[in-house]
Amino acid sequence: SQKIEQNSEALNIQEGKTATLTCNYTNYSPAYLQWYRQDPGRGPVFLLLIRENEKEKRKERLKVTFDTTLKQSLFHITASQPADSATYLCALGGGGSYIPTFGRGTSLIVHP
Amino acid sequence: GAGVSQSPSNKVTEKGKDVELRCDPISGHTALYWYRQSLGQGLEFLIYFQGNSAPDKSGLPSDRFSAERTGGSVSTLTIQRTQQEDSAVYLCASSLRLGPNTEAFFGQGTRLTVV
Repeated sequence: SQKIEQNSEALNIQEGKTATLTCNYTNYSPAYLQWYRQDPGRGPVFLLLIRENEKEKRKERLKVTFDTTLKQSLFHITASQPADSATYLCALGGGGSYIPTFGRGTSLIVHP
Repeated sequence: GAGVSQSPSNKVTEKGKDVELRCDPISGHTALYWYRQSLGQGLEFLIYFQGNSAPDKSGLPSDRFSAERTGGSVSTLTIQRTQQEDSAVYLCASSLRLGPNTEAFFGQGTRLTVV
């Protein structure tokens, strides 16, 4: 069955460092991958979308890579700030379904 | 509206009662999705609508769950004879269309507690 894996352990980093979050998937050939941010008590907020034929996508301090051979996406936040602390979810879609399927998310904590 | 609106934001109900959760999507968005998120868990897909049609209801956890959408806008998720395991945050999202390159806009969710 399709599986999306994100590290369940929180990632703790110091302010100013680059945070890197991982999303791995199996038994899936997604046409696209999305990253969302979720704050406590709120719904997820869309950040970036990357298509299967794109290797990398950037938006301000965010960078996403998509390796369909490794079946992995990396999400980077450069010059991290305490305000970046949140849970980050990856979502896959395509491959016959246009319904985004979400991973469990990884909590990022940026310490001042 | 400016964003996806869900009501109520919190609902406490007694086991065995029926509940209705409402979602107002962004105006003009044809696709609407319902997800469920339990504590510490990911988003569990429940059902989606393309217009007023729900082509696939297989994600609904049991026949106690039903959903409808009228006028291509407001959607209601109904849970009959609620059970304690139904306690979760129910999230609604909408997107401009159903497709691979569209982002989903989420509401703030309805936190359902069954006591």
